This record gives sequence, C-alpha cells and structure tokens, in this order.
Amino acid sequence: SQTIHQWPATLVQPVGSPLSLECTVEGTSNPNLYWYRQAAGRGLQLLFYSVGIGQISSEVPQNLSASRPQDRQFILSSKKLLLSDSGFYLCAWTQGGELFFGEGSRLTVL
Amino acid sequence: QKEVEQNSGPLSVPEGAIASLNCTYSDRGSQSFFWYRQYSGKSPELIMFIYSNGDKEDGRFTAQLNKASQYVSLLIRDSQPSDSATYLCAVHYGGSQGNLIFGKGTKLSVKP
Repeated sequence: SQTIHQWPATLVQPVGSPLSLECTVEGTSNPNLYWYRQAAGRGLQLLFYSVGIGQISSEVPQNLSASRPQDRQFILSSKKLLLSDSGFYLCAWTQGGELFFGEGSRLTVL
Repeated sequence: QKEVEQNSGPLSVPEGAIASLNCTYSDRGSQSFFWYRQYSGKSPELIMFIYSNGDKEDGRFTAQLNKASQYVSLLIRDSQPSDSATYLCAVHYGGSQGNLIFGKGTKLSVKP
C-alpha cells in the first residue's frame, strides 16, 4: 500500500530564513503530488501540484516554490520566510480520484 | 470565485445521537464531493466521497448530495466521543484530481 512521509514534523524558523520541507511517497510510481497549506482561521489551500519529475504547477502566487527532483519526492522551499508563511503544510497524493494526505509539517515563523 | 461554505460550529451532540454536518458550494459544474475528518493537530483523513445525487452510506456515515441545491451533507449516526473532530467538506471543481476547494470545517463535539 502507498504511504507518504513528511519531514520535519515541526519547525520554528525566524523571519527571513530559508525553508525546505520534504515529502516522499512509497508504494507507487508516477504519483500526482500536491502541497497544501492550512493557516490559522483559513481552509486548506492548494499551493502546488506535480504530475511528474520537473513538472510543477503553482496555484497561488507567493514566496514559496516547489520542486520534484525524483518521481516520489516533492520538496517545498522558500528563500526568505515571512510571518504569513506560518501554517500546517500537507503533502498529498491522489489515488482513484481521491486525495490522501501525509502527516504534515507544522511551521511557525517568528 | 469558487467557494465551499460550512458552519464553523461548534456543533455539540450527545453520545448516541445523529450529527448532521452541512456544506454548500458555489459552482454548479462540480462533480466530486468529499468529507474529511481532522483531529486536532493531525492531518485530514478521507472518510466519504460522493459523486451522484442522493445518499451514500458507509457504516455509521451517510453522505447526501443535492446538486440542484448545491448542497452536500454528512450524517453520523450513533455519534461517539471519538467522532469529536473538525469535519472538512471539499469539492473538486475541475483540473487535476487533487485540486480541491475546502471549506473551513465544522467542529463537532460529542458529549458522553
């Protein structure tokens, strides 16, 4: 069965620092992968999705970027974090038209 | 603007009662509808999906869809304290399968 791993689970970063969140999927090949963010008081928001290596679609303009260097690896990055980047970041994949989430990475920007 | 609206709650029901969670959406072209359960501090977990008008039952859960009214609901029968969580409604408006618009969620509290 497919599993999805995210790390780190929790991190606290100062404003202006860089960010790298990693997501790895096991048990499947060529998955569609997604990054969502859940900010306080807001619904889940799709940030990026990828249908294959090197293929990234951005849904929301921001200071974040995503990359897919390998088939089952999806990375979310920022060069300089803003306070508004705080939130719960969720990697997800689709199977049979349904979306499944990883355990998430909780980011606090101070 | 494609939107999904939910009452934020909290919705409080006694143990053993039926909990009714509601969701409305703005785009008549939507085809797929999902309910997720999210415990505090955890990631959302898919519990139900529905594509056709009418009811869909899975154990204690029933999803109801009315496309004419742009309304989807989730009924939880015999509610248990372990059902206490935030329930997220999500709608697929098109494009990539995982491109869902989520409501902000309804917090459910089941009292023993």
